[in-house]
Amino acid sequence: EAGVTQFPSHSVIEKGQTVTLRCDPISGHDNLYWYRRVMGKEIKFLLHFVKESKQDESGMPNNRFLAERTGGTYSTLKVQPAELEDSGVYFCASSKWTSGSNEQFFGPGTRLTVL
Amino acid sequence: AQSVAQPEDQVNVAEGNPLTVKCTYSVSGNPYLFWYVQYPNRGLQFLLKYITGDNLVKGSYGFEAEFNKSQTSFHLKKPSALVSDSALYFCAVRGPYGNNRLAFGKGNQVVVIP
Repeated sequence: EAGVTQFPSHSVIEKGQTVTLRCDPISGHDNLYWYRRVMGKEIKFLLHFVKESKQDESGMPNNRFLAERTGGTYSTLKVQPAELEDSGVYFCASSKWTSGSNEQFFGPGTRLTVL
Repeated sequence: AQSVAQPEDQVNVAEGNPLTVKCTYSVSGNPYLFWYVQYPNRGLQFLLKYITGDNLVKGSYGFEAEFNKSQTSFHLKKPSALVSDSALYFCAVRGPYGNNRLAFGKGNQVVVIP
């Protein structure tokens, strides 16, 4: 079974540019999560999809971030325009069931550097 | 709000010695607790979880963790560390109510010295 995949693995952009990150969850997993880790800090929750619906987007930092999951399969996270403080590693995770006792399976992350 | 504290930035241990990575948590209600490990250039890999039942939980690669409700702790342990255990370890918690978001600690770098 393929794991969670993310693309790209690294992205370096200038401040003010736009970047789109992609996540492909494990097949059959209705729940998809985005998290972010800023250098040396905690991994912080951004949002949670159940199929194509946003279940919880309370962790999104501001309206420069837009997440979509059209069709309930893969998801994209767009940052527009990017700021310096957006640099970090963006992780995607998925789980089959919505129950909180289920572990989330994480992808390798996308390392975003904003110059 | 739920939160996790991992007090040590780095844990150094000699190969063959016991390994302990500390974690304390704060959450309303009974916690769901998780440990993840991140090897270089890899994603977070699930190690083990505590949901209910026996306070001692066994996981992958010989790791175990002990849930202590009175001390609100969930320390990760391994009786005999291997050099290949060198990695970044994250503790995470979520509460039994409401959303599914995990709250993570800042991670502990474990270095096993040959």
